Amino acid sequence: QVQVVESGGGVVQPGRSLRLSCAASGFTFSTHGIHWVRQVPGKGLEWVAAISYDGNNKYYVDSVKGRFTISRDNSKDTAYLQMNSLRPEDTAVYYCAKRTTGGLWALDPWGQGTLVTVSS
Amino acid sequence: QSALTQPASVSGSPGQSITISCTGTSSDVGGYKYVSWYQQHPATAPRLLIYEVTSRPSGVPDRFSASKSGNAASLTISGLQAEDEADYYCASFTSTSTLLFGGGTKLTVL
Repeated sequence: QVQVVESGGGVVQPGRSLRLSCAASGFTFSTHGIHWVRQVPGKGLEWVAAISYDGNNKYYVDSVKGRFTISRDNSKDTAYLQMNSLRPEDTAVYYCAKRTTGGLWALDPWGQGTLVTVSS
Repeated sequence: QSALTQPASVSGSPGQSITISCTGTSSDVGGYKYVSWYQQHPATAPRLLIYEVTSRPSGVPDRFSASKSGNAASLTISGLQAEDEADYYCASFTSTSTLLFGGGTKLTVL
């Protein structure tokens, strides 16, 4: 069963850091790009970052550039999102998703999400 | 970059067809074949319905179809069913190598 599972969310103070993990199973992790997408509860989806299958190419939305870093460890079938200098507006459910097989820049499947709350 | 434009809500009766539009620019929807559509039921993760404008992943019913013309894409659901009631999002690759989502459309099955 193709699956990605996020972990690492929680409550953090503004300005602090948090690292999210995305553990993959059921597919060849090292051949698929991974994306992070966030959603403020009750609001729409916002793409955050993506990393290529080999980790050589990384892409970010402007609002997180310089603060967030996406990475992956293909030996552990896990991707990460390091979030520094967190702001209240980063509060959201964070989903990871793999690139869909047979297509580019489409996400399938998605994990169940992990909630990040930035608050003092 | 502003979100792609989708209607906030659409509705239809069981058995009918509905279409959800998604309008962007030549820097996103109009410029690439990488338009996708997602379905999200309350308190669940999004599910891919369509990728690369018209392709359906395995397991997605053929009641779901999509197209693109110029800077606008659309998702059509035919033979509407109660289980189709959900939020729908379009997304497109952009000229700055990012993925841009639409604001989402709430589908109500009457």
